[in-house]
Amino acid sequence: AQSVTQLDSHVSVSEGTPVLLRCNYSSSYSPSLFWYVQHPNKGLQLLLKYTSAATLVKGINGFEAEFKKSETSFHLTKPSAHMSDAAEYFCVVSDRNNQGGKLIFGQGTELSVKP
Amino acid sequence: DTAVSQTPKYLVTQMGNDKSIKCEQNLGHDTMYWYKQDSKKFLKIMFSYNNKELIINETVPNRFSPKSPDKAHLNLHINSLELGDSAVYFCASSHLAQETQYFGPGTRLLVL
Repeated sequence: AQSVTQLDSHVSVSEGTPVLLRCNYSSSYSPSLFWYVQHPNKGLQLLLKYTSAATLVKGINGFEAEFKKSETSFHLTKPSAHMSDAAEYFCVVSDRNNQGGKLIFGQGTELSVKP
Repeated sequence: DTAVSQTPKYLVTQMGNDKSIKCEQNLGHDTMYWYKQDSKKFLKIMFSYNNKELIINETVPNRFSPKSPDKAHLNLHINSLELGDSAVYFCASSHLAQETQYFGPGTRLLVL
């Protein structure tokens, strides 16, 4: 069975400092992994996805994530936080062998950015 | 030019009522989904349709009935609404093989 665990429910950083949001996954098969962002009272926007190509994945708005199979991790990073990055971030796993395109979401990490 | 749209955006209703939420996508995708986001922001899939055929039905009460009149639309009808149905409901769509799902803005349902 597939699952994903986001290790921090809340992360607070100062504007201009690096962001690290941690995610560990469990999958019986080679996984597809995603990060989605949800701004307050908004829908979900895809930040980036990993599908077994390059292990370092670049996404929108300066975010990137590194797939580490040995650590079963897919942490999200950004070198310098902006105020507009304050949002809820979801790490998501999808089993490529699944039928129906089922996504399994982590519990979410709320990112706060202080001026 | 909204890719995945939902109506209504907000829905406030009384317990016991029946309500519907509509979803439309103009991306040409063949698969559509309903997800429920609870008060703790946890997201879980409810249903998935591929070419108008139901392919995922998670353990959702029978009071919830999805309907897909065509590939571009997936509606969610809820009978006998309960307090616990209060949540944000998200519609999404994808090409099944690609897996990347694109989400609508959500419908915020409050049952009083």
